[in-house]
Amino acid sequence: GAGVSQTPSNKVTEKGKYVELRCDPISGHTALYWYRQSLGQGPEFLIYFQGTGAADDSGLPNDRFFAVRPEGSVSTLKIQRTERGDSAVYLCASSSKVNTEAFFGQGTRLTVV
Amino acid sequence: DAKTTQPPSMDCAEGRAANLPCNHSTISGNEYVYWYRQIHSQGPQYIIHGLKNNETNEMASLIITEDRKSSTLILPHATLRDTAVYYCIVGHYAGGTSYGKLTFGQGTILTVHP
Repeated sequence: GAGVSQTPSNKVTEKGKYVELRCDPISGHTALYWYRQSLGQGPEFLIYFQGTGAADDSGLPNDRFFAVRPEGSVSTLKIQRTERGDSAVYLCASSSKVNTEAFFGQGTRLTVV
Repeated sequence: DAKTTQPPSMDCAEGRAANLPCNHSTISGNEYVYWYRQIHSQGPQYIIHGLKNNETNEMASLIITEDRKSSTLILPHATLRDTAVYYCIVGHYAGGTSYGKLTFGQGTILTVHP
């Protein structure tokens, strides 16, 4: 069956531009997580959705980052006024109920030049 | 969530058991121990989790000490494909409305060599 799908796999953008990263979770999974992974580091939690609502957005670094999940399935991570420090791999994960095994996508590698 | 401590790197010969240690001395009574691994250029992959009893599945075994302050992940017959970063994570297991986000540390780079 299909796993967690993230698009695009790679994104290069200029400093100051706006980007959207998409996550298609496994069908039926109600929980969805976004993480960010910098080179040589473990993934860092950003935000968690249970259904359509953001249950915990404490990991979002600042107000340039925003995520939505309007229909409780696909989620979009939005980054405004990108900075070079935003360059990282953005990972999405989903799970079938709260805090069971999380299934991760392959990630989107964002490069801000 | 409790903090974990893992060695930065380990080596293992192909076909031998790989034993990856993790210290979590501040673990609380309702926190579980999770193990994930990340193969180069892929997303993390769940391996196993446990509360206080030893656990085994098709991938690995998890041995948790009686005081729960440390644990060991055992890959019984390591293969070259097991080369990856292994993360030991402590978090709350949830049913109902609570949940536990995963707090990843630096992990252990396991290299399996021929």
